[in-house]
Amino acid sequence: GNSVTQMEGPVTLSEEAFLTINCTYTATGYPSLFWYVQYPGEGLQLLLKATKADDKGSNKGFEATYRKETTSFHLEKGSVQVSDSAVYFCALSLRAYSGAGSYQLTFGKGTKLSVIP
Amino acid sequence: NAGVTQTPKFQVLKTGQSMTLQCAQDMNHEYMSWYRQDPGMGLRLIHYSVGAGITDQGEVPNGYNVSRSTTEDFPLRLLSAAPSQTSVYFCATQKNTEAFFGQGTRLTVV
Repeated sequence: GNSVTQMEGPVTLSEEAFLTINCTYTATGYPSLFWYVQYPGEGLQLLLKATKADDKGSNKGFEATYRKETTSFHLEKGSVQVSDSAVYFCALSLRAYSGAGSYQLTFGKGTKLSVIP
Repeated sequence: NAGVTQTPKFQVLKTGQSMTLQCAQDMNHEYMSWYRQDPGMGLRLIHYSVGAGITDQGEVPNGYNVSRSTTEDFPLRLLSAAPSQTSVYFCATQKNTEAFFGQGTRLTVV
């Protein structure tokens, strides 16, 4: 089956530090890959995505590159801010083909990031 | 544009009680789903629907029922609440591969 493994948290960083959150996946087929972010008290929202190998998703200073050879999609940011404190989820979805199951997202367990001033 | 709206935001139930968690969307998306979020477990799919009149089970369906009579609404029913159902519940719609989540319902069963 499909699965997503991301680094255990929590992660605590000082403001302006470099962030990496590792994510690896196993999937049958060719998945799309996502990072979702959950701010305190809110639902998840899409942070960035990549739909094919070597694609780079980016948003709000965050980046992740779809690496098929290592089945990875690590999240990085060069300089974190206090406002980046949240829980980050890596996820995959198989590309649409016939069948309802193709639209299901599979999530990692989440990594809590705390950024201190 | 409200997106995905869940009600209530918080609920406390006694063991054995029943209740319905409401989910409504105004994005006209066919695909809707319910997840539960538990510490250290990430999000787990409970039930999903690919359109009005069609529902199916996800990873953890036991103890929950759903129906989809309209495109807009996808309620989740707990027929006899158990402490193991204490969790945060998220409803989501999906367009192609991107999901849109509600703000969640925090349910406590005592």
